[in-house]
Amino acid sequence: DAGVIQSPRHEVTEMGQEVTLRCKPISGHDYLFWYRQTMMRGLELLIYFNNNVPIDDSGMPEDRFSAKMPNASFSTLKIQPSEPRDSAVYFCASSLAGASYNEQFFGPGTRLTVL
Amino acid sequence: QQQVKQSPQSLIVQKGGIPIINCAYENTAFDYFPWYQQFPGKGPALLIAIRPDVSEKKEGRFTISFNKSAKQFSLHIMDSQPGDSATYFCAASGASGTYKYIFGTGTRLKVLA
Repeated sequence: DAGVIQSPRHEVTEMGQEVTLRCKPISGHDYLFWYRQTMMRGLELLIYFNNNVPIDDSGMPEDRFSAKMPNASFSTLKIQPSEPRDSAVYFCASSLAGASYNEQFFGPGTRLTVL
Repeated sequence: QQQVKQSPQSLIVQKGGIPIINCAYENTAFDYFPWYQQFPGKGPALLIAIRPDVSEKKEGRFTISFNKSAKQFSLHIMDSQPGDSATYFCAASGASGTYKYIFGTGTRLKVLA
């Protein structure tokens, strides 16, 4: 398996622009998680899905952030409009319910810079 | 009550030393405590994990010590190597039957050659 795939790996945009981050989870996994990592706040869980349904979005910072999972093999995280404080590395992770230790497999991340 | 507190923030040891990273939690409903290792430019990856029914778990040079009564757990790295230089995150999961992790703030470890 190729692991969790994220695109793009790097994104540089200007304040006010829409940003869409993409994730393909490991085939067969039924949980998908979106995280944001910054030096100041560490790893923050933004939202997670189970069987394509959002379960907990309490970590989404504000209405400018939205996430979708239209099918089991694809998810997006959208920021509109983007702001400089959104600059961070965004990780997608997936896991399989009932697997050993609920292990989450992380993608390589998308480094977002908002100018 | 959902927080996991991790210390120290950074750590420098000589090769062969035994760095120790500590974490503490409040929610007694947590039932799974993983440690993740992250190298620069990469996503975190599971290193070792423990459930609260055991007090210690070893995998190679990595050991988790778990103190249920104190609600604390720690990672020990035996005979540390420069290749162990990375950021380490503790986490807790399982409260309310959820699969989400609550991560600690991370410890940046540097092992000097």
